[in-house]
Amino acid sequence: SAVISQKPSRDICQRGTSLTIQCQVDSQVTMMFWYRQQPGQSLTLIATANQGSEATYESGFVIDKFPISRPNLTFSTLTVSNMSPEDSSIYLCSVEEITVGGYTFGSGTRLTVV
Amino acid sequence: DAKTTQPPSMDCAEGRAANLPCNHSTISGNEYVYWYRQIHSQGPQYIIHGLKNNETNEMASLIITEDRKSSTLILPHATLRDTAVYYCIVRVGFGGGSNYKLTFGKGTLLTVNP
Repeated sequence: SAVISQKPSRDICQRGTSLTIQCQVDSQVTMMFWYRQQPGQSLTLIATANQGSEATYESGFVIDKFPISRPNLTFSTLTVSNMSPEDSSIYLCSVEEITVGGYTFGSGTRLTVV
Repeated sequence: DAKTTQPPSMDCAEGRAANLPCNHSTISGNEYVYWYRQIHSQGPQYIIHGLKNNETNEMASLIITEDRKSSTLILPHATLRDTAVYYCIVRVGFGGGSNYKLTFGKGTLLTVNP
């Protein structure tokens, strides 16, 4: 299965600043997905990123707050903008792998906003 | 995608079989049952999936009732490392549908005790 590397693995940020999270996959994939997991909660899909087109955002998530780039078939970034303590979460990227019957997830970025 | 219902928590003794139930009474004919797990501080991990036949792989077995309204994930010999949150998800099969989303519920926290 695909190997996904996320950077940074964790960070502590000041409110009002922005953080860009990188997701690198060791194989070419059509679709990449960004999830958020708030403390003690399940995963929530933020957006779907297709290479060469704008990301598709889920209800409750907007591009100004979570801009996403997808410059090629192996890489994507998610930026958490103008952060507040409510943005403290684990952010995970994921890819679809039809050959293994499901999704593969990165190990996540643990973000704490102070 | 159809909604699933899982118990919030279960315990299992090390070395015994862990049987995790999932109800999905509104499942559609083209929807598969997927199981993922999330070990603390890691990204979710794909376990197994099935449509209507029972499935087995090196990690687990999946038993789907004949009416497909419920299923059971079986870990035949649970170890301490199987302690995790287990998610049962139903959705159309990968690669064949237009809905690529995985919708996570709250899952079942399985605690394997020594």
